[in-house]
Amino acid sequence: DQQVKQNSPSLSVQEGRISILNCDYTNSMFDYFLWYKKYPAEGPTFLISISSIKDKNEDGRFTVFLNKSAKHLSLHIVPSQPGDSAVYFCAATSSGNTPLVFGKGTRLSVIA
Amino acid sequence: GAGVSQSPSNKVTEKGKDVELRCDPISGHTALYWYRQSLGQGLEFLIYFQGNSAPDKSGLPSDRFSAERTGGSVSTLTIQRTQQEDSAVYLCASSLAQGAWETQYFGPGTRLLVL
Repeated sequence: DQQVKQNSPSLSVQEGRISILNCDYTNSMFDYFLWYKKYPAEGPTFLISISSIKDKNEDGRFTVFLNKSAKHLSLHIVPSQPGDSAVYFCAATSSGNTPLVFGKGTRLSVIA
Repeated sequence: GAGVSQSPSNKVTEKGKDVELRCDPISGHTALYWYRQSLGQGLEFLIYFQGNSAPDKSGLPSDRFSAERTGGSVSTLTIQRTQQEDSAVYLCASSLAQGAWETQYFGPGTRLLVL
């Protein structure tokens, strides 16, 4: 039973436009969420996080939105750049100390 | 080294053989994690070390899997009597402390293929 779901395996966006990556979770105990970015043949790298006490966190071109009632979060990238092309993983944890639970990832392609 | 390193980068083995995967964490990182990513799947937690002890082994899929960490540094993940379903990328990560997720850095992974 998947506790963290990324229902879009892939997404294609034009350079300069907004990329929106979605993530849903089922475990109501999750209270801390992270997004990771992964290039081929490399390990994932941390991108941005959000605590359940917030509904938005912004870092440069990256913004994460959290809707606790819907158990949904999304990552917005504006403007999208070709270097953003990668696989993006959503992850969740409870009280920050339980092992991270990852989604299956969404492959983002930004087309020049 | 500057980051987390793993060896070998690729390993091909025959079903039934044992394999050892190595992880060198970032110096000073007390927490170390092993994950695996099977084809088309997300990262699956296997085991976590704080120092040399493993408070959480809950993700190990069977008793064929074991791991150890010595000197609070290098860790080895051992898979005995490998099966084809063990084929995956095995990722190691380290962080300054347990739960310090923003300081968690991943290695490049070991791609294991069991024939």
